[in-house]
Amino acid sequence: EAGVAQSPRYKIIEKRQSVAFWCNPISGHATLYWYQQILGQGPKLLIQFQNNGVVDDSQLPKDRFSAERLKGVDSTLKIQPAKLEDSAVYLCASSPVTTGGDNEQFFGPGTRLTVL
Amino acid sequence: AQSVSQHNHHVILSEAASLELGCNYSYGGTVNLFWYVQYPGQHLQLLLKYFSGDPLVKGIKGFEAEFIKSKFSFNLRKPSVQWSDTAEYFCAVNALHTGFQKLVFGTGTRLLVSP
Repeated sequence: EAGVAQSPRYKIIEKRQSVAFWCNPISGHATLYWYQQILGQGPKLLIQFQNNGVVDDSQLPKDRFSAERLKGVDSTLKIQPAKLEDSAVYLCASSPVTTGGDNEQFFGPGTRLTVL
Repeated sequence: AQSVSQHNHHVILSEAASLELGCNYSYGGTVNLFWYVQYPGQHLQLLLKYFSGDPLVKGIKGFEAEFIKSKFSFNLRKPSVQWSDTAEYFCAVNALHTGFQKLVFGTGTRLLVSP
């Protein structure tokens, strides 16, 4: 079974530039998550999709971050414009069921973003 | 709001030593609890989880964790660590106040096992 795919793996940009990350979840997984992991911290949920609908985006800085999952499969996360404090690893995860608190989330390798 | 505390940020052990990593959470209702591990250069992966039943949960690679509801704790243990256990370990909590899973992670513990 193929895992969660993410690209690019690394990205370096200057502040005020825009950037986009792509995620392809495990086939058949209805739920997709984007996390931000700042160095020295645990992952923090930014947004959660169930199929192509947003379940939770309460921690997404909507003035600069946006995400979509138009066909309920792959997803993109965009930052525009980027700030220095956006430097982090952006993780995508997916899980096979839409509800249930005990679901295992499967994580991708992450995209390491450096904002200069 | 939920929060998760992992008491040790860095732990250094020799092979065959016993391991216990602390995890406490703040939430008064029903929770699901997880330990995830990230080996060097690899993805985050599930080590074990608790959702109901026996509070002593066994996971992969000889790890176990005990849920103590009265202490709001879910400590991870392994009786004898190996060099290959060198990794970062994250405790995570899902509060079941909605039907959807929303994990809150701790800050992680970096474990270094010396041969």
